[in-house]
Amino acid sequence: NAGVMQNPRHLVRRRGQEARLRCSPMKGHSHVYWYRQLPEEGLKFMVYLQKENIIDESGMPKERFSAEFPKEGPSILRIQQVVRGDSAAYFCASSQAREASEQYFGPGTRLTVT
Amino acid sequence: SQKIEQNSEALNIQEGKTATLTCNYTNYSPAYLQWYRQDPGRGPVFLLLIRENEKEKRKERLKVTFDTTLKQSLFHITASQPADSATYLCALVEDSNYQLIWGAGTKLIIKP
Repeated sequence: NAGVMQNPRHLVRRRGQEARLRCSPMKGHSHVYWYRQLPEEGLKFMVYLQKENIIDESGMPKERFSAEFPKEGPSILRIQQVVRGDSAAYFCASSQAREASEQYFGPGTRLTVT
Repeated sequence: SQKIEQNSEALNIQEGKTATLTCNYTNYSPAYLQWYRQDPGRGPVFLLLIRENEKEKRKERLKVTFDTTLKQSLFHITASQPADSATYLCALVEDSNYQLIWGAGTKLIIKP
């Protein structure tokens, strides 16, 4: 049973380009969460999705950021017109239920904006 | 304001001793609290969960306590080993939205 998969592991983008981060949850998990982590800081919640629905996007910046979890395929976190401040590690986690008894994390995508 | 705080300084412990990490919170009413381990370049890994009505939880060499009066959780690793060296994160959940709220983590270094 494969764990949570994220790709790419490392992504370099120039300012103004778009970044697409992908996450495949654990088999049998339909709840996906995206987090952002800056060095020496805790994880910051961005968005919580179930299949085809955004349940809670209270942690997501209003502009340039969007997320989806289609019926088929991985969840996508999309950042348009990236700026240097978007450089961070982005983690995806999945769980069996919203009452998140535990979340399983992917290895993360490290985004560097040059 | 709401805060969840862990010691920002690294904790150095001699191998074989007990390591104790602290998680304090302010202006939250957590339904439960979780502890995760994170190694450099990796995602967090779930370790233990403790509910508001539980005082203590154990798993092998790990023990977590939860004091809702002090608004504090302690995480203990007994008979510590160099392989226990990592950053340990606490996260709490309030009933209202099931969202995990994270501390910044404490780096633990076990010296042989």
